Amino acid sequence: AQKVTQAQTEISVVEKEDVTLDCVYETRDTTYYLFWYKQPPSGELVFLIRRNSFDEQNEISGRYSWNFQKSTSSFNFTITASQVVDSAVYFCALSEAGGSYIPTFGRGTSLIVHP
Amino acid sequence: DAGVTQSPTHLIKTRGQQVTLRCSPKSGHDTVSWYQQALGQGPQFIFQYYEEEERQRGNFPDRFSGHQFPNYSSELNVNALLLGDSALYLCASSLGATTNEKLFFGSGTQLSVL
Repeated sequence: AQKVTQAQTEISVVEKEDVTLDCVYETRDTTYYLFWYKQPPSGELVFLIRRNSFDEQNEISGRYSWNFQKSTSSFNFTITASQVVDSAVYFCALSEAGGSYIPTFGRGTSLIVHP
Repeated sequence: DAGVTQSPTHLIKTRGQQVTLRCSPKSGHDTVSWYQQALGQGPQFIFQYYEEEERQRGNFPDRFSGHQFPNYSSELNVNALLLGDSALYLCASSLGATTNEKLFFGSGTQLSVL
């Protein structure tokens, strides 16, 4: 069973629109970590955020915000007022205590922001 | 502060050949993990090296092997290449063997097997 599901394969928006990237995860562990990474065309994944399972507080960093809801096993990522530089593939990942904390990545969501 | 560097950037091989990919971790990091990313997919964990030993391994055959050197750099070796080994190979570094820390990735080596 897929442990991290990113149902949106590709999202296309126009600059300044808000966009939400969905991430649904599956785990039986009570201790786990969730991550978001950005992969620009250059290839390297860039860390955006880490959240542990005991901290459901939402977080905002500039135009980025994350909504963690254990009740729905979701960790969604919103970009406010999107910019062309936000165009990239975004990956959600899960690392579990039972999996020796090796991260499992979703298939990614390709975000295209048009000027 | 140098980030994670990988070489070569691109590589073309034929079936049955062997390949070696190289990675230098971010300065101050002692742990290196390797990932395979097929087109349109997320990275898949191959293995992790810490203190020159393989600490964790993903679901990859023995054709995939690695090494870590005293300066923490690492190599990924793939023997008897198959067409399905064509992918972007990413190296990630971190501090300590606990992998719930954030990872720093290199830009990868694009391997094409013909």
